[in-house]
Amino acid sequence: SQTIHQWPATLVQPVGSPLSLECTVEGTSNPNLYWYRQAAGRGLQLLFYSVGIGQISSEVPQNLSASRPQDRQFILSSKKLLLSDSGFYLCAWSWAYGYTFGSGTRLTVV
Amino acid sequence: AQSVTQLGSHVSVSEGALVLLRCNYSSSVPPYLFWYVQYPNQGLQLLLKYTTGATLVKGINGFEAEFKKSETSFHLTKPSAHMSDAAEYFCAVSLTQGGSEKLVFGKGTKLTVNP
Repeated sequence: SQTIHQWPATLVQPVGSPLSLECTVEGTSNPNLYWYRQAAGRGLQLLFYSVGIGQISSEVPQNLSASRPQDRQFILSSKKLLLSDSGFYLCAWSWAYGYTFGSGTRLTVV
Repeated sequence: AQSVTQLGSHVSVSEGALVLLRCNYSSSVPPYLFWYVQYPNQGLQLLLKYTTGATLVKGINGFEAEFKKSETSFHLTKPSAHMSDAAEYFCAVSLTQGGSEKLVFGKGTKLTVNP
């Protein structure tokens, strides 16, 4: 069966520090992968999606970047965090018009 | 462009009462539609989805939704609310652009169930 792993579950980082969130999928090959951010009262915003290794599409200009170094690995990064980067980050993969989400990472930038 | 509007950011019902969460979409092509539920500090869990065929879709936990093309709606209902239904609910539409598929979400509706 397919599973998606996302870590860490919670993270508190100071402004200006770097960020690396990792997402891995098991039980499937060449999945479409997605990073969403959920900010209070703003629903879920698609940040990045990837259809293959090294292929990244950015949905909104921001302080974040994404990479896909391996088929089932998707990484969200920042060189210098801003207060506005705080939120709940969710990784997802899609299959036949269905999406499975990871358990999320709660990022607080202080 | 496709978008999703959820009417009411907060809905409160009594235990045992009907749950109705509203979702309207705009789409230039027949949409694929989804409802997800999110419990506090957790990821999203798929409740149900509509792709083609029967317009009344049954999901998990007693929820169902009806696709009404004429009204561009996909409202979520449950006949009798349980305390465990308290969560945030998201409606979403699938968008295919440039050969890639992605989900566009509404802003969510937080459901409170009162004893």
